[in-house]
Amino acid sequence: QSVLTQPPSVSGAPGQTVTVSCAGTSSNIGAGFEVHWYQQFPGTTPKLLIYANTNRPSGVPDRFSGSKTVTSASLTISGLRAEDEADYYCQSYDLSLNYVFGTGTRVAVL
Amino acid sequence: QMQLQESGPGLVKPSQTLSLTCHISGASISSGSIFWSWIRQPAGKGLEWIGRIYNSGSTSYNPSLSSRVTMSVDTSKNQVSLELTSVTAADTAMYYCTTVRGRAFDIWGRGTLVTVSS
Repeated sequence: QSVLTQPPSVSGAPGQTVTVSCAGTSSNIGAGFEVHWYQQFPGTTPKLLIYANTNRPSGVPDRFSGSKTVTSASLTISGLRAEDEADYYCQSYDLSLNYVFGTGTRVAVL
Repeated sequence: QMQLQESGPGLVKPSQTLSLTCHISGASISSGSIFWSWIRQPAGKGLEWIGRIYNSGSTSYNPSLSSRVTMSVDTSKNQVSLELTSVTAADTAMYYCTTVRGRAFDIWGRGTLVTVSS
């Protein structure tokens, strides 16, 4: 029941910059609700990576950044490292469905 | 530092009720403007929000699950609980307890795996 659309996978070589997109609608991102991002390594608990569109919790490297447009958002990883290989999920709030997640994106480091 | 620990039976029979508990340590469930939420994730799949509860007992549920979900707070035990009735194999998943601050899920428990099978 993922309402926000993400690409299944993105990849890049170490040191490169990759971007994960998150497409919403006028009922969620387009309604002005903030977007949050989570990082999940296989077999582990998701971790809040970016909150309120652009903010990093303490301890999150500044290689990770977020942005938001009218009905979509993006997570950018600059200077990609091997340890960034994980699944990334966007999340927002929806007028009808309350909290909604993206479909998830696997970031692979080549 | 606040920590969340989920617990419950790992195996539930179809049509029965799934009951999970999330114990909060390092903070009082009654303090602050914190919502508590349950999220689940089937193996190899994405995240699904189940519901949210405030320490007052006020709840909000995922519309797709609302007819089967009940969340509650026990301030004396510093824990929140989840009940999901009439379970099927589709309810097999890792279930996470989280805090909700500003509509973001910022602190997560390690999760508890629930399998629905006869």
